[in-house]
Amino acid sequence: DSGVTQTPKHLITATGQRVTLRCSPRSGDLSVYWYQQSLDQGLQFLIHYYNGEERAKGNILERFSAQQFPDLHSELNLSSLELGDSALYFCASSAAPSSGGNNEQFFGPGTRLTVL
Amino acid sequence: AQKVTQAQTEISVVEKEDVTLDCVYETRDTTYYLFWYKQPPSGELVFLIRRNSFDEQNEISGRYSWNFQKSTSSFNFTITASQVVDSAVYFCALSDFDNYGQNFVFGPGTRLSVLP
Repeated sequence: DSGVTQTPKHLITATGQRVTLRCSPRSGDLSVYWYQQSLDQGLQFLIHYYNGEERAKGNILERFSAQQFPDLHSELNLSSLELGDSALYFCASSAAPSSGGNNEQFFGPGTRLTVL
Repeated sequence: AQKVTQAQTEISVVEKEDVTLDCVYETRDTTYYLFWYKQPPSGELVFLIRRNSFDEQNEISGRYSWNFQKSTSSFNFTITASQVVDSAVYFCALSDFDNYGQNFVFGPGTRLSVLP
């Protein structure tokens, strides 16, 4: 158990809908990263938050947004869903303020999103 | 543009053999970070190592070792005396910076099967 929790584990929805994925980092970790893993695109980095502030943005679509709350949990919002958004969404946490920091990343179990 | 190549799509070895997973990266940055992650059949992602571009020392952790060579832009991963539990997909990743901020790119992964 990495100590990172993600809810829900599975999500099935229809095209055009909006969903919210939630991530709670390990106790004490201030950084949260979001990744998408799909068959077409492989693993992609989406976005990184540190202590409530956005630190880095990767291949995140404009239809997607994220935030990190004062209690450090993070939410990834996906809207106007398309079939191609079906993927496994991971979050990870670390104590470091950037991916170059000297702290290990710990991953949650992922949320599998299926868009029908 | 940043790029990570893992030329070996799949590798099969017999238990106790040594195996090396190749990773070649491209970046224009002088400051960057390299990572290896493991994704076992159960699907979770596990962080294995991070290396910064200024540290070319090889690293050993138990049966795992990493060979970072800037001259060839490679960051190879060797498992010594492989075990069935090493069967997984292994991803190499690169994090660097450009005028737009931080980038994070994964390779396509190498699927390692360790046969008993």
